[in-house]
Amino acid sequence: AQSVTQLGSHVSVSEGALVLLRCNYSSSVPPYLFWYVQYPNQGLQLLLKYTTGATLVKGINGFEAEFKKSETSFHLTKPSAHMSDAAEYFCAVSAFSGGATNKLIFGTGTLLAVQP
Amino acid sequence: NAGVTQTPKFRVLKTGQSMTLLCAQDMNHEYMYWYRQDPGMGLRLIHYSVGEGTTAKGEVPDGYNVSRLKKQNFLLGLESAAPSQTSVYFCASLTPGATRVQYFGPGTRLTVT
Repeated sequence: AQSVTQLGSHVSVSEGALVLLRCNYSSSVPPYLFWYVQYPNQGLQLLLKYTTGATLVKGINGFEAEFKKSETSFHLTKPSAHMSDAAEYFCAVSAFSGGATNKLIFGTGTLLAVQP
Repeated sequence: NAGVTQTPKFRVLKTGQSMTLLCAQDMNHEYMYWYRQDPGMGLRLIHYSVGEGTTAKGEVPDGYNVSRLKKQNFLLGLESAAPSQTSVYFCASLTPGATRVQYFGPGTRLTVT
């Protein structure tokens, strides 16, 4: 079975500071990993994804994440936070299994606050 | 392309009432999903469909039914609403392939009193 753990339900940073949102996964097969962002009262928007190949993945809005198999982690970072980054961020894993359902397993989310 | 759309955006029900949430996608995607989002619990899969005429249970299916009569539409029904079904409901779709990216609708906020 697959699972995702996001450490820290709330993270607060100052504008211009480094953003680090943590995600650890559990999967018995090679995982596909995703970060989604949800702005207030909106749906989920894909930030970035890891499928195969390069372990450092770049996404939209200056975010990136690194897949580390040995640590079963896929942490999200951004060098300099902007006020517009305030949102809830979800890490998810999709692991192929019999039936080809492509189901996503989500973490519980991290709410990012950016202080001026 | 409108992508994934959901109807209605908001709804208030009384306990015991029934309703249907509609999800429509114009991307010709094979797979469609219904999730519910509750504070501190992330998104949990209710039901999903891997093609027209097929549906399957997800993680939290109790109290819900679904139908996929047309490829572009995926309906979620509540036969007898309960306060525990107060939630935000999201629909998503994808086409299986290398990326496995799910595209989400804007959500339906449902309150059951």
